[in-house]
Amino acid sequence: NAGVTQTPKFQVLKTGQSMTLQCAQDMNHEYMSWYRQDPGMGLRLIHYSVGAGITDQGEVPNGYNVSRSTTEDFPLRLLSAAPSQTSVYFCASSASSGYNEQFFGPGTRLTVL
Amino acid sequence: DQQVKQNSPSLSVQEGRISILNCDYTNSMFDYFLWYKKYPAEGPTFLISISSIKDKNEDGRFTVFLNKSAKHLSLHIVPSQPGDSAVYFCAAYNFNKFYFGSGTKLNVKP
Repeated sequence: NAGVTQTPKFQVLKTGQSMTLQCAQDMNHEYMSWYRQDPGMGLRLIHYSVGAGITDQGEVPNGYNVSRSTTEDFPLRLLSAAPSQTSVYFCASSASSGYNEQFFGPGTRLTVL
Repeated sequence: DQQVKQNSPSLSVQEGRISILNCDYTNSMFDYFLWYKKYPAEGPTFLISISSIKDKNEDGRFTVFLNKSAKHLSLHIVPSQPGDSAVYFCAAYNFNKFYFGSGTKLNVKP
């Protein structure tokens, strides 16, 4: 049981490049989410999904796309990277939306030059 | 504007004493609250939670208190241990979304 896995661990992009951050969980969790962590800001919700085929926006969705074609996977796409997207990104999952603890992945540290 | 605030960026406590971490929120619709602990270069891990219908929840050395009228949440760690040194985030939930505070870095001195 690997829990929540994220790849890559580190990534450097140039402004305007696109990329996909991968997230997978093997706990059959319905709820999955993406956060970014910036100094002094805590974790801010980017997008979330309450089940396969269902996604919605969080606090800071601009510049990011998500899809949920399977229960296990929830990739985050950066369409055209900007320096403001330099951050640490965390994926999380929980058994159902809301009243459950979330399990977090180890994070992806992204730098946009 | 942040809906969940942790106004103390850091806290230093002697081993064996009590650590009290505080959290304030603005949205009265929040109905579930959680605390997470985070070590460097790792993802946050769940510590303890409380529903808005309760005012206290205990789990071993960790107790969370909720004061809904004041929109205030606190985490008590008794006794504090050096292994508790980490960043602590409070989070609040409403309608499929979690909102996190900015974190408090706890240092427990041996």
